[in-house]
Amino acid sequence: DTEVTQTPKHLVMGMTNKKSLKCEQHMGHRAMYWYKQKAKKPPELMFVYSYEKLSINESVPSRFSPECPNSSLLNLHLHALQPEDSALYLCASSWNLATEAFFGQGTRLTVV
Amino acid sequence: GIQVEQSPPDLILQEGANSTLRCNFSDSVNNLQWFHQNPWGQLINLFYIPSGTKQNGRLSATTVATERYSLLYISSSQTTDSGVYFCAVVGAAGNKLTFGGGTRVLVKP
Repeated sequence: DTEVTQTPKHLVMGMTNKKSLKCEQHMGHRAMYWYKQKAKKPPELMFVYSYEKLSINESVPSRFSPECPNSSLLNLHLHALQPEDSALYLCASSWNLATEAFFGQGTRLTVV
Repeated sequence: GIQVEQSPPDLILQEGANSTLRCNFSDSVNNLQWFHQNPWGQLINLFYIPSGTKQNGRLSATTVATERYSLLYISSSQTTDSGVYFCAVVGAAGNKLTFGGGTRVLVKP
């Protein structure tokens, strides 16, 4: 099984809302990632967790707050987002930072 | 950081045609993957190929690590092959998967 599951698939939120994106994998992978993808652009890395510790933060604004409660779960907490944060948010996982990565189907976020 | 360039940016094919997509990278790599992104946004793994040649059905890929490029071959293209193809790498000195700009493929019936 090479499945990474993301919920919800679609999310519409206001600029004052607080919401969370969830990602789950049961492949025993120890690295998990959040990527952001705008229309007609490649995915851009936001955060990397390795062995449940944050190892990379690509200078992401603090209105995005990642959390890795255990080795199978990755959350992205959203607060006070801007309309320009509307995008496809992709979660991925891999055994380690150099091995094959597998992506979830993404959450399409719209900020109104 | 490592630079990844894909060509061509856009490709229009007639069903049944063959094509080659190219990925150039600026440094040695520990990981190179090819993905197909479908219209719903799902990134589908095609190949994990930091070096060598692999084949899977009508698709094959070759990475020449010493010359810092990889090629994805699509043979007998079908309309379901439409979408965006991404190459992504982890540099030998790096620790993150970096994507190229993608090749947008449209296969016409």
